[in-house]
Amino acid sequence: EVQLVQSGADVKKPGESLKISCKGSGYSFTDYWIGWVRQMPGKGLEWMGIIYPGDADTKYSPSFQGQVTMSVDKSISTAYLQWSSLKASDTAMYYCAKHRRRGLYGSGQAFDYWGQGTLVTVSS
Amino acid sequence: EIVLTQSPGTLSLSPGDRATLSCRASQSVSSSYLAWYQQRPGQAPRLLIYFASSRATGVPDRFSGSGSGTDFTLTISRLEPEDFAVYYCQQFDNSPSFGQGTKLEIK
Repeated sequence: EVQLVQSGADVKKPGESLKISCKGSGYSFTDYWIGWVRQMPGKGLEWMGIIYPGDADTKYSPSFQGQVTMSVDKSISTAYLQWSSLKASDTAMYYCAKHRRRGLYGSGQAFDYWGQGTLVTVSS
Repeated sequence: EIVLTQSPGTLSLSPGDRATLSCRASQSVSSSYLAWYQQRPGQAPRLLIYFASSRATGVPDRFSGSGSGTDFTLTISRLEPEDFAVYYCQQFDNSPSFGQGTKLEIK
């Protein structure tokens, strides 16, 4: 059974750093891109970017480039999303999700499995 | 960057009704790059449709997708109580994006 299990909710102060995780199991972790999606309170889904666990190649949305860093440790089948200096506006639910097909974009691509989400709250 | 605009923002219907949700792209999108998701309150999104019209594993056949170019549609033929949720379209061109969502609520 394919599963993506994310780290638990976190509460941070502005300016603090944070790294959240997404552990994959039940499939070949290094063969499928993993994406990150933000959902601010009461709002819609935003595509942040993706990472390829096989070689740690990353593609960021222009809106999130420079604001977050994606990384991966393929030895433990885990992808990460991190912030070096959080802002109140980073308060949101963050989801990881797996690409349905091998390969970057294109025909038949979709996010077929999703993590349960990690709620990040940034407040002074 | 391709912008996806979903309409209506909110759709109020009753169980047993037919629902038609629209997703319009700011420029042409290959139908093979278009997906639909359902998000119930407090849950992660769930893949419903990929290739614009192919149902994901386990998705009931009352859900169907269609469209091409800039206009895509998700249709739910007979609404069940568990179908009342928010629905998002997504395109997987070289800079993926989501629509803003359509909330399907009970009338």
